[in-house]
Amino acid sequence: NAGVTQTPKFQVLKTGQSMTLQCAQDMNHEYMSWYRQDPGMGLRLIHYSVGAGITDQGEVPNGYNVSRSTTEDFPLRLLSAAPSQTSVYFCASSLRGPAGYTFGSGTRLTVV
Amino acid sequence: SQQGEEDPQALSIQEGENATMNCSYKTSINNLQWYRQNSGRGLVHLILIRSNEREKHSGRLRVTLDTSKKSSSLLITASRAADTASYFCATDKAAGNKLTFGGGTRVLVKP
Repeated sequence: NAGVTQTPKFQVLKTGQSMTLQCAQDMNHEYMSWYRQDPGMGLRLIHYSVGAGITDQGEVPNGYNVSRSTTEDFPLRLLSAAPSQTSVYFCASSLRGPAGYTFGSGTRLTVV
Repeated sequence: SQQGEEDPQALSIQEGENATMNCSYKTSINNLQWYRQNSGRGLVHLILIRSNEREKHSGRLRVTLDTSKKSSSLLITASRAADTASYFCATDKAAGNKLTFGGGTRVLVKP
């Protein structure tokens, strides 16, 4: 049972480039979320999904898109990377509702 | 601003001592959760307490919730060096479907 798998683990982008952070879970969890964590701070919610085909915005959605075409996958797309998006990104999932999250190991993104 | 705020921001104790950290929040909640994060890793869920519960235990962890004061505390008893980590409270607001995290408490347990 792999849990929540995030790829890549590290990424360096140039300003203006786009990319997709991948998140996959094999626990048949309905609820998935993306967070960003800046140095010395807590996590801020970017987008979340309560099931396949349903997504909604969190606290800091600007500059990011998501889709949920399957229960297993919840990719996060950076449309045009900016240095302010330098952060560690975590994907998390739970069976139902935002409780008892299982987190991925994170993607460390640097935008230069 | 964030829903949950932890206090203190950092805590340093000797192995065997107890560690207590507090979390305050602003709006009504369905539940409050505590997570641990070891350096450079993802978060691990520790314990969940529902809004109608006042105290909950799990191993060496004890969590209290006071909804009238909108606050919670996490007590780690008989701490070990392996408890060194950052601890975050997170709240599931009553009128929403989002989990909001506080800024965390960094705990250092010295052997």
